Amino acid sequence: DVKVTQSSRYLVKRTGEKVFLECVQDMDHENMFWYRQDPGLGLRLIYFSYDVKMKEKGDIPEGYSVSREKKERFSLILESASTNQTSMYLCASSDLTDLYEQYFGPGTRLTVT
Amino acid sequence: AQSVTQLDSHVSVSEGTPVLLRCNYSSSYSPSLFWYVQHPNKGLQLLLKYTSAATLVKGINGFEAEFKKSETSFHLTKPSAHMSDAAEYFCVVRDMNRDDKIIFGKGTRLHILP
Repeated sequence: DVKVTQSSRYLVKRTGEKVFLECVQDMDHENMFWYRQDPGLGLRLIYFSYDVKMKEKGDIPEGYSVSREKKERFSLILESASTNQTSMYLCASSDLTDLYEQYFGPGTRLTVT
Repeated sequence: AQSVTQLDSHVSVSEGTPVLLRCNYSSSYSPSLFWYVQHPNKGLQLLLKYTSAATLVKGINGFEAEFKKSETSFHLTKPSAHMSDAAEYFCVVRDMNRDDKIIFGKGTRLHILP
């Protein structure tokens, strides 16, 4: 069974802290994605990666960076957290042959105070 | 640029009655369209997808959607709602103009009344 896991379900951080959100998939998928989900705005793509050490900016990359050192793991980094980064963060993965059928993790609800 | 519009942010139906969740898209190409569902405290799950084969697409849990090019619509339907269908539903379009990224609609929350 396909599985995408995220390191935390809930996270509370202070303004200015460096925050790491981890995502691991066990399906040997090439593509991995980070989205943020906000009420009334749907999902917005932050970054995606189509291979180890490769990354592409999505729609809202400002204030974020990513790391993909291993195929199964994709990390989202908030260099200096701000209150406007309080949100639900969703990780997803997909196979090389079907980019659009994405498998999602349960999400991390991040609160920045 | 391609876009997707979900016409209702909330829909309420009684258990056992039909469900209709509306989605319109704009596209200069033949689009690929998807519906995803998100149950409370869960990740998104693919319900169904249209990729230029049959215009009526059947998905999981009894849902189906019909691609209507003349109306630029891809509405999601189910003949009889079940309490377990309460969730948020997202219509998604593949954007061939933007490096093949996918664009999510803003979501429709489906409420099932007993």
